[in-house]
Amino acid sequence: KAGVTQTPRYLIKTRGQQVTLSCSPISGHRSVSWYQQTPGQGLQFLFEYFSETQRNKGNFPGRFSGRQFSNSRSEMNVSTLELGDSALYLCASSHQGGPINEQFFGPGTRLTVL
Amino acid sequence: ELKVEQNPLFLSMQEGKNYTIYCNYSTTSDRLYWYRQDPGKSLESLFVLLSNGAVKQEGRLMASLDTKARLSTLHITAAVHDLSATYFCAVDIGAQKLVFGQGTRLTINP
Repeated sequence: KAGVTQTPRYLIKTRGQQVTLSCSPISGHRSVSWYQQTPGQGLQFLFEYFSETQRNKGNFPGRFSGRQFSNSRSEMNVSTLELGDSALYLCASSHQGGPINEQFFGPGTRLTVL
Repeated sequence: ELKVEQNPLFLSMQEGKNYTIYCNYSTTSDRLYWYRQDPGKSLESLFVLLSNGAVKQEGRLMASLDTKARLSTLHITAAVHDLSATYFCAVDIGAQKLVFGQGTRLTINP
């Protein structure tokens, strides 16, 4: 079974621009979560989607948004980029429905904001 | 707000030695995960601990969970260089939200 895939793997943007990151979950997984990882703040939860609905959101400004499509693929968007948005963005998928609901992480998208 | 604290944050040890990483958390949860991260890479799942008293072992790593003490441990036995990485614990607080510890950067020297 293929793992979680994320595209692109690397991005360089300038302040004020916007960016869209994509995540394809493991086949059969309907839940997709997004996390931001920075050296200063560590790993922080952004949001989670299940069946095209956002079920949970972390403490991030409204510039961070996401969506999920009917095939469970998810995108996240960051508008008006700031230098502090430079980070590794990880998405994770889980099956939902079993007792474990373990999250499996993709390789990440490394975003650099100049 | 839930806090997840790992210690130590940095650990340098010699091959062949044993050591333990601690993960304390501040709210009730009976679901805890351990992940490994190599530099520039994503998170690799190591253990899923689902109940009080759970103990899982894989090779030289063993993880345990004490939900009453809100404590999980990751024990390394007879460390080898390949185990050098950053290890994270993460507490599941529901709705697929994981709260991560700060990570423990483990360096194993020959």
